[in-house]
Amino acid sequence: KNQVEQSPQSLIILEGKNCTLQCNYTVSPFSNLRWYKQDTGRGPVSLTIMTFSENTKSNGRYTATLDADTKQSSLHITASQLSDSASYICVVSLNYGGSQGNLIFGKGTKLSVKP
Amino acid sequence: NAGVTQTPKFQVLKTGQSMTLQCAQDMNHEYMSWYRQDPGMGLRLIHYSVGAGITDQGEVPNGYNVSRSTTEDFPLRLLSAAPSQTSVYFCASSQGSKYLTFGAGSRLTVL
Repeated sequence: KNQVEQSPQSLIILEGKNCTLQCNYTVSPFSNLRWYKQDTGRGPVSLTIMTFSENTKSNGRYTATLDADTKQSSLHITASQLSDSASYICVVSLNYGGSQGNLIFGKGTKLSVKP
Repeated sequence: NAGVTQTPKFQVLKTGQSMTLQCAQDMNHEYMSWYRQDPGMGLRLIHYSVGAGITDQGEVPNGYNVSRSTTEDFPLRLLSAAPSQTSVYFCASSQGSKYLTFGAGSRLTVL
């Protein structure tokens, strides 16, 4: 069964600290993996997208890594800010061509950054 | 450039009532979709469309109806609302499947 599992479910860190969120997937055939940030009461916003051949991608203080062999991805947040408080969602796309019916969503990690 | 616009933002219905959640995008995207988000469940696909006149079911289509008469609009109809349909609904669009753009969400409560 195609699944995307994220850990931890929730995380509290102090402002200025780094953190890493995990995403493990059992999805085949794999096309790409995306990380989204969802602020409370808002829609998800894309942070990064990686294909099979890419193993790292950065977007400012956000760095995503992908290990296609172990089917694991991580999202590393550097020097966290209060505005990083949000849910982070990992989404894996099946390689069945362009269709939004081929996306497998994780349940998200809720990050709280405290002053 | 508004992106994806959803209306209404909040709605309260009584069991058995019907309503339509509106979704419009101004990016000329081919693909549009509706998701529901429930606590602890993540986003689940209800219906999606790969172009005007073409729709298909997602993971949880029961109790919902869609149509796509234009590229811009993709309304979601609740035929006879049930308390189990209490949720936050998100519309999304993309050109190709890579970069989804989500709307701000519509919070629906069914009493």
